[in-house]
Amino acid sequence: DGGITQSPKYLFRKEGQNVTLSCEQNLNHDAMYWYRQDPGQGLRLIYYSQIVNDFQKGDIAEGYSVSREKKESFPLTVTSAQKNPTAFYLCASSISRGRGREQYFGPGTRLTVT
Amino acid sequence: GQQLNQSPQSMFIQEGEDVSMNCTSSSIFNTWLWYKQDPGEGPVLLIALYKAGELTSNGRLTAQFGITRKDSFLNISASIPSDVGIYFCAGRNFGNEKLTFGTGTRLTIIP
Repeated sequence: DGGITQSPKYLFRKEGQNVTLSCEQNLNHDAMYWYRQDPGQGLRLIYYSQIVNDFQKGDIAEGYSVSREKKESFPLTVTSAQKNPTAFYLCASSISRGRGREQYFGPGTRLTVT
Repeated sequence: GQQLNQSPQSMFIQEGEDVSMNCTSSSIFNTWLWYKQDPGEGPVLLIALYKAGELTSNGRLTAQFGITRKDSFLNISASIPSDVGIYFCAGRNFGNEKLTFGTGTRLTIIP
């Protein structure tokens, strides 16, 4: 089945540790995105990538880093510099051009840092 | 970054009732999207709108792209228990890959 996979579903880390969240898609989409969701709020864009080996900062990129070495994969690293890393993280993908380039989301990873 | 205003923030209804919610922006969008999110899951795309005035249905859901291009509306007819969740609107402009999301409307069905 085609889709977006995020793993793990739940992740726990100690403060001061970097942690990498996985996102894989087999939809042959060019573009991939990372969002952060806090309770009672909408989605805020962290980073996005429209093509392999290229990515752009979103609205809240500080304390995060990404890579896009393969079309199918867009891992997100939450660094120790991120002041409030506990949140629900969502990955999305889309085709890069045309009317139907809507974003489709993965199931999310809930990160808890203590 | 900007977030869109969704109204109401929450709704408590009885099964079988119709639901209306809306989303407003201070700026114009060329595409409006509506997503539904179940607890602990990723949002699922319900309806996409591409033209001012457009009215599109998906089963019991109907969404409209406002004439001013600064708002959009979502209606759910004859609500059922699986309609429970948070509904998000999102807007996008030409040449911009980024979506701007609303703050969400939480729908609860009272037994």
